[in-house]
Amino acid sequence: NAGVTQTPKFQVLKTGQSMTLQCAQDMNHEYMSWYRQDPGMGLRLIHYSVGAGITDQGEVPNGYNVSRSTTEDFPLRLLSAAPSQTSVYFCASSFRGLLSQETQYFGPGTRLLVL
Amino acid sequence: KQEVTQIPAALSVPEGENLVLNCSFTDSAIYNLQWFRQDPGKGLTSLLLIQSSQREQTSGRLNASLDKSSGRSTLYIAASQPGDSATYLCAVGPGGKLIFGQGTELSVKP
Repeated sequence: NAGVTQTPKFQVLKTGQSMTLQCAQDMNHEYMSWYRQDPGMGLRLIHYSVGAGITDQGEVPNGYNVSRSTTEDFPLRLLSAAPSQTSVYFCASSFRGLLSQETQYFGPGTRLLVL
Repeated sequence: KQEVTQIPAALSVPEGENLVLNCSFTDSAIYNLQWFRQDPGKGLTSLLLIQSSQREQTSGRLNASLDKSSGRSTLYIAASQPGDSATYLCAVGPGGKLIFGQGTELSVKP
């Protein structure tokens, strides 16, 4: 199993540009989530999904859009990039159901710099 | 609103020492509590998951305890090694909606 994969690893954007961060998992997990990690702020939840076709907002959703058309993929779209969105973005997935199975698996991250 | 705090922010110990990392949370309705390890420039790796109804979990040299009544969890690392140097994060919540502490950066000196 490849686990959770993210592309690209690193991206530089200009203010106002849009882009999509890709995330895929091959573990048949129901939960998928996007977090951003900033110095002094820790990891914060952007959006999450409990299954294909179902998404919801996390703590910091503004400026981001998600959709989940398949179990495997959960892309994160930046609609109009701003310098405040400079961060490291992590995708994560886990089973849903028995609490003992909800160990969360993380991807390697995407470093985004918005100029 | 659930808040998770980890103190200290950084810790340096000599190799071989037993150590304890602390995690506190404000709302006892935590679902699960997970401890993660993060190496510089890398993603997070799950170390231990404690269900809300459990008191502790063990994996090798790691032991995590949970006391919901006091809003605390501890991660005990036995016989620390330089390879244990990393940032350790705790998080609470159901699988897809974790709330994280800011982590403790651990340095184990040879």
